[in-house]
Amino acid sequence: QVQLVQSGAEVKKPGASVKVSCKASGYTFTSYAMHWVRQAPGQRLEWMGWINAGNGNTKYSQKFQGRVTITRDTSASTAYMELSSLRSEDTAVYYCARAPYIVVGGYMDVWGKGTTVTVSS
Amino acid sequence: QSVLTQPPSVSGAPGQRVTISCTGSSSNIGAGYDVHWYQQLPGTAPKLLIYGNSNRPSGVPDRFSGSKSGTSASLAITGLQAEDEADYYCQSYDSSLSGSNWVFGGGTKLTVL
Repeated sequence: QVQLVQSGAEVKKPGASVKVSCKASGYTFTSYAMHWVRQAPGQRLEWMGWINAGNGNTKYSQKFQGRVTITRDTSASTAYMELSSLRSEDTAVYYCARAPYIVVGGYMDVWGKGTTVTVSS
Repeated sequence: QSVLTQPPSVSGAPGQRVTISCTGSSSNIGAGYDVHWYQQLPGTAPKLLIYGNSNRPSGVPDRFSGSKSGTSASLAITGLQAEDEADYYCQSYDSSLSGSNWVFGGGTKLTVL
């Protein structure tokens, strides 16, 4: 079955970077795109960016432009999200979510369980 | 402040029908972009509930339905059950002079009384 398995929880200091991985299985990785969405405690879902796993093209939310980098390793069927210059407001659960169609405005049909990132001095 | 506006909470008794609204604008829902809905049970990841305004993925009960009109969309749940108690989020796409992004509503907490 289609599955997205994310890396474990992270604790980082302000100013550091974090890299979260999302390993896909059960489907052809390069035929889909992958979104990254975060959710701060008690807050709404917030879209960060996505990557076309086939050609590596990315698009980022203006809010995170310059701080977020999304990459993929097709040989490992894994997508990565790296967020730099971390601050306390970045404390959140970070989700990867598959896009079944590489179209603007599409939906996210399969989600990872989430990775908790805590930013604290 | 979310680009898509949802009521913070709704409630209903078992067996009743509730609706959750998602209000956007001419740069997102009103521009023709589809609306999708997700259910998030406490402590879990979101789950796709409705896609393309009114389509249910396999496995989602037909008690859940979606609609879209103008700059708004709605999720309706009939025959409320205790296990429906969750947070519900609408999602669309917004394209304006300030940029283009996938966007989510602020979420609605459904309480089954």
